[in-house]
Amino acid sequence: GAVVSQHPSRVICKSGTSVKIECRSLDFQATTMFWYRQFPKKSLMLMATSNEGSKATYEQGVEKDKFLINHASLTLSTLTVTSAHPEDSSFYICSALPAREPGGEQYFGPGTRLTVT
Amino acid sequence: QQQVKQSPQSLIVQKGGIPIINCAYENTAFDYFPWYQQFPGKGPALLIAIRPDVSEKKEGRFTISFNKSAKQFSLHIMDSQPGDSATYFCAASKSTGFQKLVFGTGTRLLVSP
Repeated sequence: GAVVSQHPSRVICKSGTSVKIECRSLDFQATTMFWYRQFPKKSLMLMATSNEGSKATYEQGVEKDKFLINHASLTLSTLTVTSAHPEDSSFYICSALPAREPGGEQYFGPGTRLTVT
Repeated sequence: QQQVKQSPQSLIVQKGGIPIINCAYENTAFDYFPWYQQFPGKGPALLIAIRPDVSEKKEGRFTISFNKSAKQFSLHIMDSQPGDSATYFCAASKSTGFQKLVFGTGTRLLVSP
């Protein structure tokens, strides 16, 4: 089956620093990747849609200058949380849509737990 | 119109019971309806998905019932086991364009031994 990995799985950073989260599709190419945020006991909230080679599309209310997304290749998208603050602490999850299966299943990564102190 | 409403918020059943989780959507352009299972600290995993051309789909112990006219769909878990205790999310999307998933609010299921 298709596998999506995220790195790191957990990260603790100090307020004001930036942290990068990687999302990789391990055995397929993904023209589209999605980034979600999930607070404890809440649903997944879509932050942005990332398309390879083009700028990400952000959902309403998501600050694009704070959450920088780069989709430089068909297997890698990165989310950088810039100048992180405690309120950015959350569970960040990516998903990838295989290029070979338009209209098909999205594959989710295992998530990254970000804690900002 | 982008919302997907999910109920109940939480559910407790005994082992062997059949929990039922319901979802309702508004956007008639949605044509892909997946259900995800999520364990604490993990990403969601696809359980089963349905498209509007069928009214029911079964995979193992999991069944989706779909009512297009009512814009509702539900998940049934047959012979539930303690290992099924998790949070379940329904979702909906279009199968063209950006294919953004709209998630329900989630149902925390506890299956007691």
